[in-house]
Amino acid sequence: SAVISQKPSRDICQRGTSLTIQCQVDSQVTMMFWYRQQPGQSLTLIATANQGSEATYESGFVIDKFPISRPNLTFSTLTVSNMSPEDSSIYLCSVGGSEGGTYNEQFFGPGTRLTVL
Amino acid sequence: GESVGLHLPTLSVQEGDNSIINCAYSNSASDYFIWYKQESGKGPQFIIDIRSNMDKRQGQRVTVLLNKTVKHLSLQIAATQPGDSAVYFCAENKAAGNKLTFGGGTRVLVKP
Repeated sequence: SAVISQKPSRDICQRGTSLTIQCQVDSQVTMMFWYRQQPGQSLTLIATANQGSEATYESGFVIDKFPISRPNLTFSTLTVSNMSPEDSSIYLCSVGGSEGGTYNEQFFGPGTRLTVL
Repeated sequence: GESVGLHLPTLSVQEGDNSIINCAYSNSASDYFIWYKQESGKGPQFIIDIRSNMDKRQGQRVTVLLNKTVKHLSLQIAATQPGDSAVYFCAENKAAGNKLTFGGGTRVLVKP
């Protein structure tokens, strides 16, 4: 399985500021995703990070709030913009996943624990 | 909308006993299911997966059962150990859609 790292591992931020989270994979991967896990809850998909094009966002998530970059097949960033306390969550990137009828497991990074004051 | 959910939020198990974690799904078009384990402060760790053309799959100390008739998925952990204490999530994946939908999670507490 791919080795996935995220930076920072945790941060405490003031409301109204923005934080950019980095996800680095040790091998080239086609599919990369960003998830949010609110305190004590399950994971919710934010968007699919597409290499060379705009990310594909899920319902309830917009590019202005969560801009994503994917400059190559091993790296992606997620920015949480104009933060409020409601954005306090763990943000996780994942790689892999099924496509085109091929079943492949998704692997997750360690997560970035964000607290907004 | 369609979703994946769990019957039990918390499961307390005596060390050495078997654990069974259940999950219900509602999308009959789902064709691939994954179980993840998440320990405190860590990301979800892949445990085992199963395709919809199977009804059982075994790994090391774990077995996943799929009952498509009643849209039910379960994870069995044999001889539960303290290191098995974690939150377990089932997830649904459609190969064509390539998106994971997660269930609510079950916390497993292993008592010594």
